[in-house]
Amino acid sequence: DVQLVESGGGLVQPGGSLKLSCAASGFTFSGSAMHWVRQASGKGLEWVGRIRSKVMNYATAYSASVSGRFTISRDDSKNTAYLEMNNLKTDDTAVYYCARHSGGLQYWGQGNLVTVSA
Amino acid sequence: DIQMTQSPSSLSASVGDRVTITCRASESISSNLNWYQQYPGKAPKLLIYTTSNLESGVPSRFRGSASGTQFTLTISSLQPEDFATYYCQQSDSTPYTFGQGTKLEIK
Repeated sequence: DVQLVESGGGLVQPGGSLKLSCAASGFTFSGSAMHWVRQASGKGLEWVGRIRSKVMNYATAYSASVSGRFTISRDDSKNTAYLEMNNLKTDDTAVYYCARHSGGLQYWGQGNLVTVSA
Repeated sequence: DIQMTQSPSSLSASVGDRVTITCRASESISSNLNWYQQYPGKAPKLLIYTTSNLESGVPSRFRGSASGTQFTLTISSLQPEDFATYYCQQSDSTPYTFGQGTKLEIK
């Protein structure tokens, strides 16, 4: 069975940092582009960014709202993707999802709540 | 960035109804449009990818189509489990923007 298990969320103060992990199983992780999507409470889905596979040079892309503050990386030996978040703002408070891209965002993690508050 | 304008934002319908949700792209995205279904507190689920391809396991009452930069999700005969929120997303160029969502409610 395909699984994406996220971890690392929690409460952080404005200006702080947090790193989310997304552990994958049940599919060929190394060949997959991995995306991050977030959703503030009661709001719609917001695409955060993505990292492509090794054959695509691990190319990354980000939304304007997180560019320069967030970094997506991956460790194919551990079948894990990461979202490192720096200089966090209260507007970054949301549930963060990782997802595997194949056609569309085919498989999703369960979501991980990040709360940015003093 | 490509803007995705989804309508309506909410929709009331009855079991057995045929419903249509529309998404318009601000520029050409070829056929790179996906549809998702989301229940409260749950992760989204991919329904249709690249305009009209049904994801494995998704019932055939869901259909996607396009005319130019306007994309449509049609549910031919609503079932009780279809009452959820639906999102479109373009995957033509980053950032892969989503529509604002359509909440489908029971009339």
